[in-house]
Amino acid sequence: DVKVTQSSRYLVKRTGEKVFLECVQDMDHENMFWYRQDPGLGLRLIYFSYDVKMKEKGDIPEGYSVSREKKERFSLILESASTNQTSMYLCASRTPVEVTNYGYTFGSGTRLTVV
Amino acid sequence: GQQLNQSPQSMFIQEGEDVSMNCTSSSIFNTWLWYKQDPGEGPVLLIALYKAGELTSNGRLTAQFGITRKDSFLNISASIPSDVGIYFCAGKPNTGNQFYFGTGTSLTVIP
Repeated sequence: DVKVTQSSRYLVKRTGEKVFLECVQDMDHENMFWYRQDPGLGLRLIYFSYDVKMKEKGDIPEGYSVSREKKERFSLILESASTNQTSMYLCASRTPVEVTNYGYTFGSGTRLTVV
Repeated sequence: GQQLNQSPQSMFIQEGEDVSMNCTSSSIFNTWLWYKQDPGEGPVLLIALYKAGELTSNGRLTAQFGITRKDSFLNISASIPSDVGIYFCAGKPNTGNQFYFGTGTSLTVIP
């Protein structure tokens, strides 16, 4: 069974802390994504990566950075956490769109609270 | 980024009723995906559609790729309590690799 694993289900951090959210996939997918999910706003793309050491900004990259040192691992970094970054964070991986029957596989999410 | 219009935002239905929801975009899409998110979990893919007019079923769920290529529909027949959750649509325009997500339909099934 293919899997996307996010290291933490729940996190509570203090304002100003540096926060690392880890995501690992075992499907050998090139494409990986970080979304945040807020009530009424749906899923908003923060950053994505189409290959190792490659990253692209999504729709809301401010306050975030990412790291993709290995194909299976995509990390989201909050350089200095703020209360408006309290949210549910979802990692996903995806086959290339050239592959038949492509789609996203999501992790279980990390619910981050910044106090 | 582009947002998809998904409706309704929420539904409260009796167990056994059928459910319909839809998603519309302002541009032509070549792929529609439907996901379900259980409380506290990540979204799980239910149905994928790749051709205009395509009708695909997954158990009691049926989804259709609209012939205008700007909309998609999801139907759930004979709802049961475990259908509770948030249903998301996602679509990909003809150009580029980017998918866009709807804001979700929250479904509550009353036993």
